Amino acid sequence: AQSVTQLGSHVSVSEGALVLLRCNYSSSVPPYLFWYVQYPNQGLQLLLKYTTGATLVKGINGFEAEFKKSETSFHLTKPSAHMSDAAEYFCAVSDSFSNFGNEKLTFGTGTRLTIIP
Amino acid sequence: DAGITQSPRHKVTETGTPVTLRCHQTENHRYMYWYRQDPGHGLRLIHYSYGVKDTDKGEVSDGYSVSRSKTEDFLLTLESATSSQTSVYFCAIRAGTGPGNTIYFGEGSWLTVV
Repeated sequence: AQSVTQLGSHVSVSEGALVLLRCNYSSSVPPYLFWYVQYPNQGLQLLLKYTTGATLVKGINGFEAEFKKSETSFHLTKPSAHMSDAAEYFCAVSDSFSNFGNEKLTFGTGTRLTIIP
Repeated sequence: DAGITQSPRHKVTETGTPVTLRCHQTENHRYMYWYRQDPGHGLRLIHYSYGVKDTDKGEVSDGYSVSRSKTEDFLLTLESATSSQTSVYFCAIRAGTGPGNTIYFGEGSWLTVV
């Protein structure tokens, strides 16, 4: 079974400061990892994903994440926060070796990011 | 935009009544999913489909049923709505096959059971 832990249900940063949202996963096989963002009253939008290859993944809106197998982590970062980054962020894991056609995403509980002007 | 439309977007219903939520997609994707979102729980999978008439249960399937008679439509039915089913429901599709392909979400259906 796979699982995701997001440390910190609420994170506040000042505008222009570094954004760091933490995600640790548990998976018995090599994982595929995803970060989604959700703005108020909207669906989830993919920020970035890691499947294979380079462990530093760049996404939309200046976000990036690094897959660290030894730490079972996939933390999301952005060098300089913008007011428009205020949203809820979800980390998710998919089992890369699951039966073909039965792959599902398992989500963390989310981190609400607040930007302080 | 992955061509996903959910209906209704908002609904208030009474305890004990059946409710059906519809997910419609326009891009012929094989895999479709229903999730519910609740504070403190993130998104949890209710049911999913891997083809017409092919469905399976997720982690929170009790009290829900699904049907997929056409590729483009995936229906979620609450057989007898309860207050614990007050939630936001998201339909999703997988673009392509394989676990690395992106899952895209609809805009959500807000359901209140009173």
